[in-house]
Amino acid sequence: QSALTQPASVSGSPGQSITISCTGTSSDVGGYNYVSWYQQHPGKAPKLMIYEVSNRPSGVSNRFSGSKSGNTASLTISGLQAEDEADYYCSSYTSSSTKVFGTGTKVTVL
Amino acid sequence: EVQLVQSGAEVKKPGESLKISCKGSGYSFTSYWIGWVRQMPGKGLEWMGIIYPGDSDTRYSPSFQGQVTISADKSISTAYLQWSSLKASDTAMYYCARAAEWLNWFDPWGQGTLVTVSS
Repeated sequence: QSALTQPASVSGSPGQSITISCTGTSSDVGGYNYVSWYQQHPGKAPKLMIYEVSNRPSGVSNRFSGSKSGNTASLTISGLQAEDEADYYCSSYTSSSTKVFGTGTKVTVL
Repeated sequence: EVQLVQSGAEVKKPGESLKISCKGSGYSFTSYWIGWVRQMPGKGLEWMGIIYPGDSDTRYSPSFQGQVTISADKSISTAYLQWSSLKASDTAMYYCARAAEWLNWFDPWGQGTLVTVSS
């Protein structure tokens, strides 16, 4: 099972909106709504930001939102803040009865 | 508060065995899955496998099947990840994380256990 494809890096200025894509196939992202997103700051454990494509856990800022179209899921961060600078990973269930993570995206706040 | 606390960093030689742990607290340990995720130095996250401590149902990624063993002792609310013969390529940070369903999201995550394998 290959990793889902994410852009290596995305950047934006404070206050701007950015979108991170996560591209898979009809056997993973496109076939199920079990897509989740994680934020990882350097030296820290990952933190859940979005589950089941577009649901936000309690305590996660409403500046984070998720969506899906076909085989591509997206994470949008609006009103970008310095604290949002981190690595972001998507994840999906697959038809092989396993799970797969994305390649990861480094978000830089300019 | 739901917490997963992992065992400390390990330094091992190639060929040695190792078992690292992940202790859950603040919830019913037997009602949730515990998964393991590898992160090699400077690299991304890799899903290794997952166990349901309630009945020890275990699923492995094909990439890790036969390379590691996942187990759990529900009497002490602890899950384990073990190797019988370590390789230098096993050097990585290993995270455990909780899931309500094995195919769904992980939350929360343990703090991670750094495993270094070097001669």
